[in-house]
Amino acid sequence: ETGVTQTPRHLVMGMTNKKSLKCEQHLGHNAMYWYKQSAKKPLELMFVYSLEERVENNSVPSRFSPECPNSSHLFLHLHTLQPEDSALYLCASSHRFYQPQHFGDGTRLSIL
Amino acid sequence: GDSVTQMEGPVTLSEEAFLTINCTYTATGYPSLFWYVQYPGEGLQLLLKATKADDKGSNKGFEATYRKETTSFHLEKGSVQVSDSAVYFCALPNNAGNMLTFGGGTRLMVKP
Repeated sequence: ETGVTQTPRHLVMGMTNKKSLKCEQHLGHNAMYWYKQSAKKPLELMFVYSLEERVENNSVPSRFSPECPNSSHLFLHLHTLQPEDSALYLCASSHRFYQPQHFGDGTRLSIL
Repeated sequence: GDSVTQMEGPVTLSEEAFLTINCTYTATGYPSLFWYVQYPGEGLQLLLKATKADDKGSNKGFEATYRKETTSFHLEKGSVQVSDSAVYFCALPNNAGNMLTFGGGTRLMVKP
């Protein structure tokens, strides 16, 4: 039990589809993060939320749209994705900034 | 900006061999330093941390010492096991604490 649960674990979608990734944390943390992990590239931070307010957007294309309705849930809405968006998407949370982050097991996304 | 450099892998060792994975960093000030581990099919887990110079973080037989003079945080283990096979990431937070900068990861493969 990692405390951070991501669903689905695997997702295959076409370029014209719309889907959402979900992340839920049961740790009482106040900050949540989305990362992209591609083969042979460093881990890329996409978005940071603190107390449901977005505090960081690392030049991510608008086809990725995050949503944080409360401090326990984080979504990543996907639409008109490109093949290069195929990757492992990791969610993480921390009690507050500067504290270690706890990661979910990720969603493996494949774009056809 | 901040950066983390890790030795490239894969590192292949026999069981009970000594492990060193090098990590050096550039940063403003003296941030906390972390080692994360990612087992196959899972997200990242915090392995150990050090919060100030000369601190030694340790967990599961792994150790790393925060060396301010050489800006290094090398990961070591005296006797690796097959179950240690994973990817290891060195990381540090930015000044605001809302982002982690990760190294590129080092894959460790331990053979029986």
